[in-house]
Amino acid sequence: EPEVTQTPSHQVTQMGQEVILRCVPISNHLYFYWYRQILGQKVEFLVSFYNNEISEKSEIFDDQFSVERPDGSNFTLKIRSTKLEDSAMYFCASRVGQIYYEQYFGPGTRLTVT
Amino acid sequence: AQSVTQLDSHVSVSEGTPVLLRCNYSSSYSPSLFWYVQHPNKGLQLLLKYTSAATLVKGINGFEAEFKKSETSFHLTKPSAHMSDAAEYFCVVSDKDQAGTALIFGKGTTLSVSS
Repeated sequence: EPEVTQTPSHQVTQMGQEVILRCVPISNHLYFYWYRQILGQKVEFLVSFYNNEISEKSEIFDDQFSVERPDGSNFTLKIRSTKLEDSAMYFCASRVGQIYYEQYFGPGTRLTVT
Repeated sequence: AQSVTQLDSHVSVSEGTPVLLRCNYSSSYSPSLFWYVQHPNKGLQLLLKYTSAATLVKGINGFEAEFKKSETSFHLTKPSAHMSDAAEYFCVVSDKDQAGTALIFGKGTTLSVSS
């Protein structure tokens, strides 16, 4: 069964460093998402991406964040200058179509900022 | 604005007994509702979804949920718990049937199953 994959599973970085989290969505899906879950808190929406542009973003997704689909298969989330409060589990998700289609989630990348 | 409230942060049941995980939602539109499950060190897996068809929705692993508009509820049930059901369960709402729509998650309910 097709699945969303994410790499790495765990990333440790120092405050102020740039990180890139990678995702490979399901191949025939057209809509892509990033969510995050700070330890002990809710899963929160960050951004959605369709047709090579951001379609929706939350207030969390500030200028420090960017997304890209560089090669038609990968979907990346970049954090330019990490802060301690960026430590969280980051989930990528994808969706096949427009109406009533659920989002399929990857296993997540745990980001630890020290 | 849409929101989801999971009424119990932790539910404990014995193997073979019924499971009830409660969820209430708030939505300005006709919502789509989902239950996702997260096993330890695993991703989020869809259990079932409601999208304005039948109000009683059947999902995987024997779970089902009933959409009750008058009560704004979407409780998850299972007649007989299994040890493998121990996990974190999230009730999720999506308001708009459009591209790029964010999912709004509840805080989650941890289900413990004892033998």
